[in-house]
Order: sequence, then C-alpha cells, then structure tokens
Amino acid sequence: DAGVIQSPRHEVTEMGQEVTLRCKPISGHNSLFWYRQTMMRGLELLIYFNNNVPIDDSGMPEDRFSAKMPNASFSTLKIQPSEPRDSAVYFCASSDPGQTSYNEQFFGPGTRLTVL
Amino acid sequence: LAKTTQPISMDSYEGQEVNITCSHNNIATNDYITWYQQFPSQGPRFIIQGYKTKVTNEVASLFIPADRKSSTLSLPRVSLSDTAVYYCLATGYSTLTFGKGTMLLVSP
Repeated sequence: DAGVIQSPRHEVTEMGQEVTLRCKPISGHNSLFWYRQTMMRGLELLIYFNNNVPIDDSGMPEDRFSAKMPNASFSTLKIQPSEPRDSAVYFCASSDPGQTSYNEQFFGPGTRLTVL
Repeated sequence: LAKTTQPISMDSYEGQEVNITCSHNNIATNDYITWYQQFPSQGPRFIIQGYKTKVTNEVASLFIPADRKSSTLSLPRVSLSDTAVYYCLATGYSTLTFGKGTMLLVSP
C-alpha cells in the first residue's frame, strides 16, 4: 500500500488567499484525522471523520477552517482566507478499527504551509 | 484524558541502550500505552503499544509496571538513525493527544 498520500507537500501563499490541502487515506481505513504541527503548540488534532462523517471538529481553530470528506478515499482541509499564523505542517492520518494495535494511526508525509 | 509526562530531551551514543520513561498517573482502565516516533519532516509513526507487563517487537521494548502509572520505552543499541522525537500517549476510546515528546539525539 502507498500509505496516506497528501498534496501538495509544500505550499506558499499570500495572506488572504484560499488554501486547499488534500489527503487520500489508506484504502480500507474508515477513520481520517487532520492535525496541525507548530513549534509552539506541537501536534494538535483539528478534526476527525468516521465513515466520511465529521465526528469532532472542536480542534478547528476558527471559521476560516473547513474540512470535507466526500468519499472514503478523499478529504480536503480548506483555509479561507489564510493568515500568516496558519503557517504550519498539516498532517493527515487514517486508521482501521480492525487492525491489531488499538487506535493506531498512520500518518501522511504532511503539507508544509507558509502564509506570507 | 490521561496526561503523560516525559523528558524534553535525551542524549545517547551509537550502540547504547536508551530508556525513555513516561509517567501517566491518571491513566484510565481502558487506556493503552502507545509510543510514536517522529523523524524530521515526517509524520509520526507507531512503534509499540502495551497494556501491562512487557511488550517487545523488532524495534523496541515497552515495560509497564503493575500499577500502570508509568512506562519505559527501551531502544536497544541505538544508531544515528534513531535520532527522533518519541511521544508517549495513553490511548483510549477518544482521539490521540500528543504532548511535546522526548527529543532523542544519538551521536557517533
């Protein structure tokens, strides 16, 4: 399996622009998670989906952030409008309830976002 | 959610055994102790998980005493490539909560 796929790997944009991050989970995994990592705040959970349904979005920082999962193989995280403080590495992860290790998540390579 | 406490950083040399201890005094009955490893510019990677006693896999060993209030991740004979951040989590039915982790630096 190719693992969790994220695109783009790097994104540089200007303040006020819309940014869309994409994620393809591992085939067969029914849970998908979006995280943000910064030096100051560490790794934070933004939102997670179970069977394509958003379960907990309490980590989404504000209304400028939105996430969708239209089908089992694709999810997007959108920031509109973007601000410099959104600069971070955004990770997508997926998990499978049938796996042997409890609540094990598989992370993608991340998208490094820089907002100028 | 059980809060975990682990050292901010550790230093070691190639070939040594490294033990990273994590405390989780308020761990719940249904929580597992899970360790993730994160290399620079990569996402975290699951390395080992246990509930009690000792667990060993091809990467590491995990020691958990009977009271489960702490755990120790043991990395045998580390190499330069083991330089990474190691996160200890108490994982239950809820989502994962990552702390700051332990930055392990392995030197020649």
